[in-house]
Amino acid sequence: QQQVKQSPQSLIVQKGGISIINCAYENTAFDYFPWYQQFPGKGPALLIAIRPDVSEKKEGRFTISFNKSAKQFSLHIMDSQPGDSATYFCAASSWGKLQFGAGTQVVVTP
Amino acid sequence: SAVISQKPSRDICQRGTSLTIQCQVDSQVTMMFWYRQQPGQSLTLIATANQGSEATYESGFVIDKFPISRPNLTFSTLTVSNMSPEDSSIYLCSVEGWGGGEQFFGPGTRLTVL
Repeated sequence: QQQVKQSPQSLIVQKGGISIINCAYENTAFDYFPWYQQFPGKGPALLIAIRPDVSEKKEGRFTISFNKSAKQFSLHIMDSQPGDSATYFCAASSWGKLQFGAGTQVVVTP
Repeated sequence: SAVISQKPSRDICQRGTSLTIQCQVDSQVTMMFWYRQQPGQSLTLIATANQGSEATYESGFVIDKFPISRPNLTFSTLTVSNMSPEDSSIYLCSVEGWGGGEQFFGPGTRLTVL
């Protein structure tokens, strides 16, 4: 039973475009929602995170939008660059235990 | 963020043997966790490594197969016992700092079982 559902599975975007990845959850006990970026052969790197009392958080080109009532959250990557090509995972945490989405492979074309 | 190292970075092992993976953090942390990432898949939590007490395992993972130690606030080990090819995965440790929330991952140990 997957507690965090992520879409799309893959995404191709042109350089300068916007990448949008969506996640949904069911467990209302989740209280922390991070996004991780993973390059091949590397461990996941924390990108940005949000708590449910905030509807939006922006750090540089990365923005999380959070809709508590709909139990959905999304990652927006503005001005996408070829160096952003990676796999992105959303996650939801309760008591520090992370439940991960299935991942989205993002490819940014020059 | 904490600096996390894992040893070994990769290994190829024979069926039926065991491998112990080490996770070292450069500062004291409250929580340490072990995850598994099967090839091309997402991450799954194996267990929470508790300092000074037995680890807490998630559904589908048992202590006999994945014994875990955490002797202090900067170090933990995960052993993959009696390995089979199905255990071929990347094993990652993660840590949560004193402030709570933010969790950082080590580089992972890529295990191949023949």
